[in-house]
Amino acid sequence: SQQGEEDPQALSIQEGENATMNCSYKTSINNLQWYRQNSGRGLVHLILIRSNEREKHSGRLRVTLDTSKKSSSLLITASRAADTASYFCATDSFTGRRALTFGSGTRLQVQP
Amino acid sequence: GAGVSQSPSNKVTEKGKDVELRCDPISGHTALYWYRQSLGQGLEFLIYFQGNSAPDKSGLPSDRFSAERTGGSVSTLTIQRTQQEDSAVYLCASSLEARMNTEAFFGQGTRLTVV
Repeated sequence: SQQGEEDPQALSIQEGENATMNCSYKTSINNLQWYRQNSGRGLVHLILIRSNEREKHSGRLRVTLDTSKKSSSLLITASRAADTASYFCATDSFTGRRALTFGSGTRLQVQP
Repeated sequence: GAGVSQSPSNKVTEKGKDVELRCDPISGHTALYWYRQSLGQGLEFLIYFQGNSAPDKSGLPSDRFSAERTGGSVSTLTIQRTQQEDSAVYLCASSLEARMNTEAFFGQGTRLTVV
């Protein structure tokens, strides 16, 4: 099964609203990363949060990490139609597989 | 090159044929990953290379799948005797050494269709 599971699977909002996506994982991590994917092709890195960090900001993005609950959230503020994409969390674990492990993604639709 | 390059972009093959997918990572990146993504699904890990270490092949779905990385750079993913369930987008990514808090850079993928 996937290390990371995103919630919700799909999200539809109006332009200007905020979008929140959640990710849960199972094992201890070194860091957690969020990626964006347009049109089912290459993924683009958005933000990386280390295991000793609790919150991180990048532009309109805000990521939180709660290692006690093994969960993270990605908040996109003041969404735009161009934010329409799939968003994935990926975990870099201390043990086991060294490759990034991805969740199943949240498909975000921002209506203009 | 400036980014991760994958070729071909699209590949249509007949069931039972062998295919080779190529990935050219970013120069200097020691870690290279292959993932597979079926339509509307998440990324399924296939194989991971890190420098001169033995690759992690734990994600390869069957012995029809193999991959190599020559000279620590270009990687080839080979699928023998392709089946229709192999149809997917195959994504390659590279990064500086794993567990060093660095991001992965993805290619645009190869869309494989087995007919």
